[in-house]
Amino acid sequence: SYDLTQPPSVSVSAGQTANITCSGDKLGDKFVSWYQQKPGQSPFLVIYQDTKRPSEIPERFSGSNSGNTATLTISGTQAMDEADYYCQAWDSTYVFGTGTKVTVL
Amino acid sequence: QVQLVESGGGVVQPGRSLRVSCAASGFTFNSYPMHWVRQAPGKGLEWVSVISYDGSDKLYADSVKGRFTISRDISKNTLYLQMNSLRVEDTAVYYCARENYVSLDPWGQGTLVTVSS
Repeated sequence: SYDLTQPPSVSVSAGQTANITCSGDKLGDKFVSWYQQKPGQSPFLVIYQDTKRPSEIPERFSGSNSGNTATLTISGTQAMDEADYYCQAWDSTYVFGTGTKVTVL
Repeated sequence: QVQLVESGGGVVQPGRSLRVSCAASGFTFNSYPMHWVRQAPGKGLEWVSVISYDGSDKLYADSVKGRFTISRDISKNTLYLQMNSLRVEDTAVYYCARENYVSLDPWGQGTLVTVSS
């Protein structure tokens, strides 16, 4: 089976940049999506096809994918960005990453 | 607007069956693949199953293969997940989601399935 590994937690000061990584074998050859999930809510798409943002997602969210690592970057992090984030890719089946809890200090 | 509403969750004993549903509205239901994803209490997301836009192709996670069946009724704009031989470890919130550009958007609000004796 294909595994996607994320750091369990990332802490960032308000206004600073948070980088959330997602690692998998030859991940750069696949399309990666990222989802935000706040407590008690459903997941919400924030990045698709590695770098694209749905129209309602703020510009401070960006994505990249190369080699074995995809990265979700939140620039100028705000308190409202505190949430769990999951990466997702396709490799014969759909796979989610292990999830990262982002804490805004 | 695009909306997905799950229903049918509840408490069921191990070994029994349950069917959850997902009512779709606001888009052409038979134009998109549809997925089920689950989340055990306090845990991460686990992909469960996908069905093609016309229902001809289906895929399942190894953890549910042979026990769960995904289906869709285009006349009712509804997605289903038939869950048989339920296990305690199937306890989770079950979300349906529309596939678009190899990503899932939007997601429903989820329905809780609890497997317990």
